[in-house]
Amino acid sequence: AQSVSQHNHHVILSEAASLELGCNYSYGGTVNLFWYVQYPGQHLQLLLKYFSGDPLVKGIKGFEAEFIKSKFSFNLRKPSVQWSDTAEYFCAVNAMGSQGNLIFGKGTKLSVKP
Amino acid sequence: EAGVTQFPSHSVIEKGQTVTLRCDPISGHDNLYWYRRVMGKEIKFLLHFVKESKQDESGMPNNRFLAERTGGTYSTLKVQPAELEDSGVYFCASSQDRGAYNEQFFGPGTRLTVL
Repeated sequence: AQSVSQHNHHVILSEAASLELGCNYSYGGTVNLFWYVQYPGQHLQLLLKYFSGDPLVKGIKGFEAEFIKSKFSFNLRKPSVQWSDTAEYFCAVNAMGSQGNLIFGKGTKLSVKP
Repeated sequence: EAGVTQFPSHSVIEKGQTVTLRCDPISGHDNLYWYRRVMGKEIKFLLHFVKESKQDESGMPNNRFLAERTGGTYSTLKVQPAELEDSGVYFCASSQDRGAYNEQFFGPGTRLTVL
Protein backbone atom coordinates (compact mmCIF):
# COMPACT_ATOMS: atom_id res chain seq x y z
CA ALA A 1 0.00 0.00 0.00
CA GLN A 2 1.13 3.52 -0.69
CA SER A 3 2.22 5.60 2.28
CA VAL A 4 4.01 8.84 3.07
CA SER A 5 6.24 9.41 6.08
CA GLN A 6 7.15 12.79 7.47
CA HIS A 7 9.97 12.48 9.94
CA ASN A 8 9.33 15.45 12.18
CA HIS A 9 6.12 16.12 14.06
CA HIS A 10 7.06 19.58 15.32
CA VAL A 11 10.01 21.74 14.34
CA ILE A 12 10.90 24.94 16.17
CA LEU A 13 13.31 27.38 14.55
CA SER A 14 14.43 30.94 15.01
CA GLU A 15 13.99 33.44 12.20
CA ALA A 16 16.71 33.24 9.54
CA ALA A 17 17.47 29.61 10.34
CA SER A 18 17.51 27.12 7.48
CA LEU A 19 14.72 24.59 7.17
CA GLU A 20 14.61 21.06 5.89
CA LEU A 21 11.53 18.89 6.36
CA GLY A 22 11.84 15.24 5.48
CA CYS A 23 9.38 13.25 3.39
CA ASN A 24 9.66 9.67 2.21
CA TYR A 25 7.08 7.72 0.29
CA SER A 26 6.42 4.08 -0.33
CA TYR A 27 5.03 3.11 -3.70
CA GLY A 28 6.11 0.68 -6.38
CA GLY A 29 5.26 2.82 -9.38
CA THR A 30 5.64 6.36 -10.64
CA VAL A 31 4.26 9.09 -8.45
CA ASN A 32 3.60 12.79 -8.50
CA LEU A 33 4.77 14.62 -5.39
CA PHE A 34 3.35 17.63 -3.58
CA TRP A 35 3.92 19.82 -0.57
CA TYR A 36 0.89 21.56 0.88
CA VAL A 37 0.90 24.17 3.63
CA GLN A 38 -1.82 25.20 6.07
CA TYR A 39 -1.23 28.56 7.73
CA PRO A 40 -3.12 29.14 10.98
CA GLY A 41 -6.82 29.63 10.26
CA GLN A 42 -6.40 29.17 6.53
CA HIS A 43 -7.05 26.54 3.86
CA LEU A 44 -4.57 23.93 2.75
CA GLN A 45 -2.74 25.40 -0.22
CA LEU A 46 -0.25 24.03 -2.68
CA LEU A 47 3.35 25.02 -2.01
CA LEU A 48 4.99 23.13 -4.85
CA LYS A 49 4.70 19.99 -6.95
CA TYR A 50 6.87 17.60 -8.92
CA PHE A 51 5.68 15.62 -11.91
CA SER A 52 8.80 15.06 -13.99
CA GLY A 53 11.96 16.77 -15.23
CA ASP A 54 14.35 18.71 -13.04
CA PRO A 55 14.22 17.04 -9.62
CA LEU A 56 14.81 20.36 -7.89
CA VAL A 57 11.47 22.14 -7.76
CA LYS A 58 10.92 25.72 -6.72
CA GLY A 59 7.66 26.79 -5.15
CA ILE A 60 6.09 29.86 -3.66
CA LYS A 61 7.57 31.96 -0.86
CA GLY A 62 11.14 30.79 -1.42
CA PHE A 63 10.50 27.11 -0.77
CA GLU A 64 12.08 24.36 -2.83
CA ALA A 65 12.06 20.57 -2.75
CA GLU A 66 14.33 17.93 -4.19
CA PHE A 67 13.10 14.60 -5.51
CA ILE A 68 15.63 11.82 -4.98
CA LYS A 69 14.20 8.77 -6.69
CA SER A 70 16.73 6.32 -5.26
CA LYS A 71 15.79 7.38 -1.73
CA PHE A 72 12.05 7.74 -2.36
CA SER A 73 12.38 11.19 -0.83
CA PHE A 74 11.00 14.65 -1.50
CA ASN A 75 12.40 16.91 1.20
CA LEU A 76 11.28 20.51 1.55
CA ARG A 77 13.84 23.25 2.11
CA LYS A 78 14.06 26.96 2.70
CA PRO A 79 17.37 28.75 3.28
CA SER A 80 16.04 31.33 5.73
CA VAL A 81 12.67 31.04 7.46
CA GLN A 82 10.48 33.91 8.57
CA TRP A 83 7.96 34.16 11.37
CA SER A 84 5.22 34.09 8.71
CA ASP A 85 6.30 30.56 7.72
CA THR A 86 4.76 29.26 10.92
CA ALA A 87 2.30 26.66 9.63
CA GLU A 88 1.69 22.96 9.20
CA TYR A 89 3.33 21.36 6.18
CA PHE A 90 2.05 18.24 4.46
CA CYS A 91 3.83 16.03 1.98
CA ALA A 92 1.53 14.15 -0.41
CA VAL A 93 1.74 11.84 -3.40
CA ASN A 94 -0.58 10.47 -6.01
CA ALA A 95 0.01 7.68 -8.45
CA MET A 96 0.65 8.46 -12.09
CA GLY A 97 -2.46 7.52 -13.99
CA SER A 98 -4.69 7.71 -10.94
CA GLN A 99 -7.78 9.84 -10.57
CA GLY A 100 -5.78 12.21 -8.45
CA ASN A 101 -6.65 11.20 -4.92
CA LEU A 102 -3.81 12.28 -2.67
CA ILE A 103 -2.01 10.26 0.00
CA PHE A 104 -0.75 12.51 2.74
CA GLY A 105 1.86 12.28 5.44
CA LYS A 106 0.95 13.14 9.03
CA GLY A 107 2.16 16.71 8.67
CA THR A 108 4.93 18.70 10.32
CA LYS A 109 4.16 21.74 12.44
CA LEU A 110 6.72 24.47 12.01
CA SER A 111 6.98 27.19 14.65
CA VAL A 112 9.29 30.09 13.85
CA LYS A 113 10.33 32.28 16.78
CA PRO A 114 10.72 35.97 15.97
CA GLU B 1 -13.13 33.70 -7.97
CA ALA B 2 -14.65 32.13 -4.88
CA GLY B 3 -12.77 29.22 -3.40
CA VAL B 4 -14.06 25.95 -2.05
CA THR B 5 -16.45 26.53 0.82
CA GLN B 6 -17.62 24.14 3.49
CA PHE B 7 -20.45 24.31 5.97
CA PRO B 8 -20.56 24.19 8.92
CA SER B 9 -17.11 25.13 10.11
CA HIS B 10 -17.68 23.27 13.37
CA SER B 11 -20.22 20.71 14.48
CA VAL B 12 -20.60 19.13 17.89
CA ILE B 13 -23.06 16.24 18.14
CA GLU B 14 -23.88 13.36 20.43
CA LYS B 15 -23.03 9.80 19.56
CA GLY B 16 -25.90 8.29 17.60
CA GLN B 17 -27.02 11.55 16.02
CA THR B 18 -26.88 12.44 12.36
CA VAL B 19 -24.74 15.16 10.82
CA THR B 20 -24.61 16.45 7.27
CA LEU B 21 -21.58 18.30 5.97
CA ARG B 22 -21.72 20.40 2.84
CA CYS B 23 -19.09 21.33 0.30
CA ASP B 24 -19.40 23.85 -2.51
CA PRO B 25 -16.57 23.42 -5.02
CA ILE B 26 -15.11 26.11 -7.21
CA SER B 27 -17.55 26.87 -10.01
CA GLY B 28 -16.84 24.75 -13.07
CA HIS B 29 -14.81 22.14 -11.21
CA ASP B 30 -16.18 18.74 -12.12
CA ASN B 31 -13.98 16.85 -9.70
CA LEU B 32 -14.76 16.89 -6.01
CA TYR B 33 -12.84 15.01 -3.33
CA TRP B 34 -13.59 14.38 0.33
CA TYR B 35 -10.79 13.78 2.83
CA ARG B 36 -10.73 13.34 6.60
CA ARG B 37 -8.11 13.98 9.25
CA VAL B 38 -8.55 12.22 12.54
CA MET B 39 -6.55 13.92 15.32
CA GLY B 40 -2.90 13.01 15.22
CA LYS B 41 -3.21 11.09 11.99
CA GLU B 42 -2.70 11.82 8.34
CA ILE B 43 -5.30 13.35 6.03
CA LYS B 44 -7.02 10.39 4.38
CA PHE B 45 -8.92 10.19 1.11
CA LEU B 46 -12.60 9.27 1.41
CA LEU B 47 -14.09 9.55 -2.06
CA HIS B 48 -14.03 11.26 -5.43
CA PHE B 49 -16.89 12.56 -7.55
CA VAL B 50 -16.76 13.41 -11.22
CA LYS B 51 -19.79 15.61 -11.70
CA GLU B 52 -22.58 13.66 -9.97
CA SER B 53 -20.95 10.23 -10.30
CA LYS B 54 -18.91 8.53 -7.61
CA GLN B 55 -15.61 7.72 -9.27
CA ASP B 56 -13.86 6.16 -6.30
CA GLU B 57 -15.27 5.61 -2.84
CA SER B 58 -12.62 3.21 -1.66
CA GLY B 59 -11.74 5.40 1.32
CA MET B 60 -15.20 5.53 2.87
CA PRO B 61 -14.86 3.97 6.33
CA ASN B 62 -18.20 2.15 6.48
CA ASN B 63 -21.83 2.35 5.46
CA ARG B 64 -22.64 4.97 8.09
CA PHE B 65 -21.16 7.48 5.65
CA LEU B 66 -23.18 8.58 2.64
CA ALA B 67 -21.96 11.11 0.10
CA GLU B 68 -24.04 12.70 -2.60
CA ARG B 69 -23.55 15.26 -5.32
CA THR B 70 -26.90 15.77 -6.92
CA GLY B 71 -26.72 17.86 -10.07
CA GLY B 72 -22.96 17.80 -10.04
CA THR B 73 -22.60 20.99 -8.04
CA TYR B 74 -22.34 20.95 -4.26
CA SER B 75 -21.81 17.75 -2.31
CA THR B 76 -23.03 16.52 1.05
CA LEU B 77 -21.48 13.97 3.35
CA LYS B 78 -23.88 12.48 5.89
CA VAL B 79 -22.81 10.47 8.89
CA GLN B 80 -25.62 8.42 10.40
CA PRO B 81 -25.41 7.40 13.17
CA ALA B 82 -22.27 9.18 14.29
CA GLU B 83 -19.73 7.36 16.45
CA LEU B 84 -16.94 8.73 18.64
CA GLU B 85 -14.27 7.68 16.13
CA ASP B 86 -15.85 9.86 13.44
CA SER B 87 -14.50 12.97 15.14
CA GLY B 88 -12.00 14.84 13.01
CA VAL B 89 -11.68 17.47 10.34
CA TYR B 90 -13.41 16.78 7.05
CA PHE B 91 -11.86 18.49 4.05
CA CYS B 92 -13.32 18.94 0.62
CA ALA B 93 -11.25 19.71 -2.46
CA SER B 94 -12.07 20.35 -6.09
CA SER B 95 -10.19 20.32 -9.36
CA GLN B 96 -11.10 21.28 -12.87
CA ASP B 97 -10.01 18.09 -14.57
CA ARG B 98 -9.56 14.57 -13.32
CA GLY B 99 -6.24 12.86 -13.05
CA ALA B 100 -3.03 12.97 -11.16
CA TYR B 101 -1.72 16.22 -12.66
CA ASN B 102 -4.50 18.51 -11.63
CA GLU B 103 -4.14 20.78 -8.64
CA GLN B 104 -6.75 20.27 -5.97
CA PHE B 105 -8.05 23.34 -4.18
CA PHE B 106 -9.06 22.71 -0.61
CA GLY B 107 -11.81 24.14 1.53
CA PRO B 108 -11.31 25.25 5.14
CA GLY B 109 -12.63 21.99 6.53
CA THR B 110 -15.43 21.09 8.92
CA ARG B 111 -14.36 20.13 12.42
CA LEU B 112 -16.69 17.40 13.67
CA THR B 113 -16.75 16.46 17.33
CA VAL B 114 -18.81 13.48 18.41
CA LEU B 115 -19.42 13.31 22.17
